Amino acid sequence: QKEVEQDPGPLSVPEGAIVSLNCTYSNSAFQYFMWYRQYSRKGPELLMYTYSSGNKEDGRFTAQVDKSSKYISLFIRDSQPSDSATYLCAMTSSNTGKLIFGQGTTLQVKP
Amino acid sequence: AAGVIQSPRHLIKEKRETATLKCYPIPRHDTVYWYQQGPGQDPQFLISFYEKMQSDKGSIPDRFSAQQFSDYHSELNMSSLELGDSALYFCASSSDSDTQYFGPGTRLTVL
Repeated sequence: QKEVEQDPGPLSVPEGAIVSLNCTYSNSAFQYFMWYRQYSRKGPELLMYTYSSGNKEDGRFTAQVDKSSKYISLFIRDSQPSDSATYLCAMTSSNTGKLIFGQGTTLQVKP
Repeated sequence: AAGVIQSPRHLIKEKRETATLKCYPIPRHDTVYWYQQGPGQDPQFLISFYEKMQSDKGSIPDRFSAQQFSDYHSELNMSSLELGDSALYFCASSSDSDTQYFGPGTRLTVL
C-alpha cells in the first residue's frame, strides 16, 4: 500500500462547478502538505502549501488538512476549462525533505 | 520571478550510452532535489543535496550519480542507460523558508 493514496479519476465536471480533490496518508510524521497542478508533459506547479492542520485559501482554491484523520483536500470554486490538468497531492515530514506524492487526479472541466 | 531551469529539455540516447542532466535552482535556494516520473506515474524521489552535500537518497539506481556544485547547480549523471530509464526527470529547489518548486523537466528517451 502506498503511503499516500489519491483517486486517479478521471474527474469530469461542467464549468463553474465546485471540485473536491482528496488524499489520504498513513505516515503520521507528515507535517507539510502541498497541492501541485501538472499540465501534460510539464513540470508540477505549486498551488497550495500548508503546514500542519487547518485551512488555507488562495483565490478560487482552498486547501484543508485534517491530521487526526490523515486526510487532505483541495477545493476549486467556479472551475474553469483552464483548470483541466492533473492535480497531485504531496507531503513531507520536514520543510526540506523529499516529497511523497499521490497518484494524481486527472480533472477535466467542460465548457 | 526566476524559476528552476533544466537542460536539456529533451534528450534521446541509445541503450548503454550515458546522459547528463543539469539543474539551476531558484536564486538563494540551497537545496536541490531530483525526481523521476514515468508515463502515467507520480514523481518518484531520486536524490537531494543541501549546501553541496547529499542530504537524502531514494530509489536511485547505482548507475546514476549526482552532485551539487559551488554555484548550487546540480547535475544528474546516468550511465549504461536502459529502456526503462525513459522518463521525465524533474529538478526542484527549496530553501529553509520555502517549499519545493519544480523545473520544466527533461524528457529522456532511450532507444
